Amino acid sequence: RKEVEQDPGPFNVPEGATVAFNCTYSNSASQSFFWYRQDCRKEPKLLMSVYSSGNEDGRFTAQLNRASQYISLLIRDSKLSDSATYLCVVNRHQTGANNLFFGTGTRLTVIP
Amino acid sequence: DAGVIQSPRHEVTEMGQEVTLRCKPISGHDYLFWYRQTMMRGLELLIYFNNNVPIDDSGMPEDRFSAKMPNASFSTLKIQPSEPRDSAVYFCASTSVLYNEQFFGPGTRLTVL
Repeated sequence: RKEVEQDPGPFNVPEGATVAFNCTYSNSASQSFFWYRQDCRKEPKLLMSVYSSGNEDGRFTAQLNRASQYISLLIRDSKLSDSATYLCVVNRHQTGANNLFFGTGTRLTVIP
Repeated sequence: DAGVIQSPRHEVTEMGQEVTLRCKPISGHDYLFWYRQTMMRGLELLIYFNNNVPIDDSGMPEDRFSAKMPNASFSTLKIQPSEPRDSAVYFCASTSVLYNEQFFGPGTRLTVL
């Protein structure tokens, strides 16, 4: 079983729509969680961390459900510039970044 | 500040040839990672170094792949001989204990014909 599983999509949504991505992880000992964004033909970059209490950064909301080993990312009022692949990432450690496990990514296309 | 630097950005070679990919991590980072990304398998960790020492190479597919880090500012990933199934984007990333993220280079797109 993969460490991190995501629906690959693609998700095609109109501008202004709300879209949600989900991810599950298999190792209950995982300690910290993240979403990375990867634009077409570019490198992955950290989008945001995911905290147990849920956290928001502008139009983006991330949530963690430890009991279900489930992570989500919600994007409100989608913009054309949100088109990218979103990678779910888990870390077996609370701090540091030397033991990250990446999902295969969910591809989002925002349509005018 | 310069980010992670990788070269070449694109490489096209023929089956059986040796390929060498290069990476310069961000200055001051003591962890360096090599990843391979394909549509089918996503981002796979090949090997990572801490303070220039290989820590985990369990992701290296086979003996055709080797990686070195002779000093804190340079690493290579070598494939010899290359095969068409090695075609992928190879990313190098670096970090330090001060950060909770890895910083990726722009990648090398390798095509083996």
